[in-house]
This record gives sequence, C-alpha cells and structure tokens, in this order.
Amino acid sequence: EVQLVESGGTLVQPGGSLRLSCAASGFTFSDHYMDWVRQAPGKGLEWVGRVRNKANTHTTEYAASVKGRFTISRDDSKNSLYLQMNSLKTEDTAVYYCVRVSGTYRSPNDYWGQGTLVTVSS
Amino acid sequence: DIQLTQSPSFLSASVGDRVTVACRASQDISTSLAWYQQKPGKAPKLLIYDASTLQSGVPSRFSGSGSGTEFTLTISSLQPEDFATYYCQQLNSYPRTFGQGTNVDI
Repeated sequence: EVQLVESGGTLVQPGGSLRLSCAASGFTFSDHYMDWVRQAPGKGLEWVGRVRNKANTHTTEYAASVKGRFTISRDDSKNSLYLQMNSLKTEDTAVYYCVRVSGTYRSPNDYWGQGTLVTVSS
Repeated sequence: DIQLTQSPSFLSASVGDRVTVACRASQDISTSLAWYQQKPGKAPKLLIYDASTLQSGVPSRFSGSGSGTEFTLTISSLQPEDFATYYCQQLNSYPRTFGQGTNVDI
C-alpha cells in the first residue's frame, strides 16, 4: 500500500524558515517524480514544485510564488522528500501535501499524503 | 502560465442527477488534463487523467472528455458520496496549474 506521511508543519513567524518532510512507503520511491502541493485555508489547490527521479538527475521545478525561497530535495536512501521553506510570508500559510507523480512528464498525481499545516503568523 | 477556469464554481444538485463540470484552458493543452475530487478535511483523489482515462478503482459513473482548451467532467448519476469539490489540473507544462474548483453541494 502506497503511503505518504508529511511532518514538520507548525507555527512560524514571518521571515522564518521551516523544513517539511515526507516519508514514503509501499512503492519504489526512487523511480518516481514527487511534488509538493499546498492549499491555503478555505482556498483551492496550488502546485508548489517538483523533484524528478534519479534517472533525471533530481532536477527541480517551482511555482513562481516560491521560487528562490523554497527548495525541494529528496533522499532516495531514506525514501524521503523534503521542502525547505525560507523567508516565509503570511501568504504561505497552508496545508502542504506530499504527492506522488504516477509516471514522468505528463503524468498526474496519483497518491497524496494527509497534509501538514504550516501557519505563518506573528 | 496556463490558466484553467472551471464553471460553475458552485453547483447544487440532487442524488441521481447528471452533473457536468467544465474546465477551460487558456491555451491548447491537447489531452494533458486530470480531474480530482476533494472532500472536506481530506486530501484530493485522482479521478481521471489524460482527459478521459478513468483512474483504477474510480466508479464508472465518472467520465471525462475534451481536448485542446475545452474539457468536461461528467457524473452520470450523482451519489451521496459524490458531494465534494472537483478540480481540474493541466499536465502540459510548468508550472502545473489547477482550476479554482467546483463545489458540488446538495
């Protein structure tokens, strides 16, 4: 059974930093691209970014709203995905989902974690 | 960036109704579109990809159609468990983008 379990969400002050983690199990993690998707309270879904698999040298893509502030990385030896968030803004407040990409480039997100809440507030 | 516009944003329906949700892309995305269902407090669930391919385990009352810039999600006979918010997502280019969502309510 595919499982994605996020952790690390908490209350943080504007300008602060936070690192989210996602523990994956039930599939060959190293084969898959992985995404982060977020959802602000009461709002819609927003794609945050992607890290490709080892075969594609773990390259990354980001939404314009987070580029230069957020970094996505992975450790295939630990079946883990990470989201390093710096210079946090109040508008980054959201539930952050760790999401598996079913295949490669034009594939959908087929498994989602339960999400972890990040609150940016003073 | 490719913008996706869903219509309607809110939809009131009854059990047994045929329901249609539209998604319009700001540029041609071929059939690179997915549909997701989200219930309150839960993570989204993949329903359809490649515009019309049903994800494994999803009931056959869900169907998708379209290509280019116009897409449709149809629920042939609405069931109580289908009351949720539905999102389209384009898979054609980066950044990936979602529609604003359609809330299907009783």
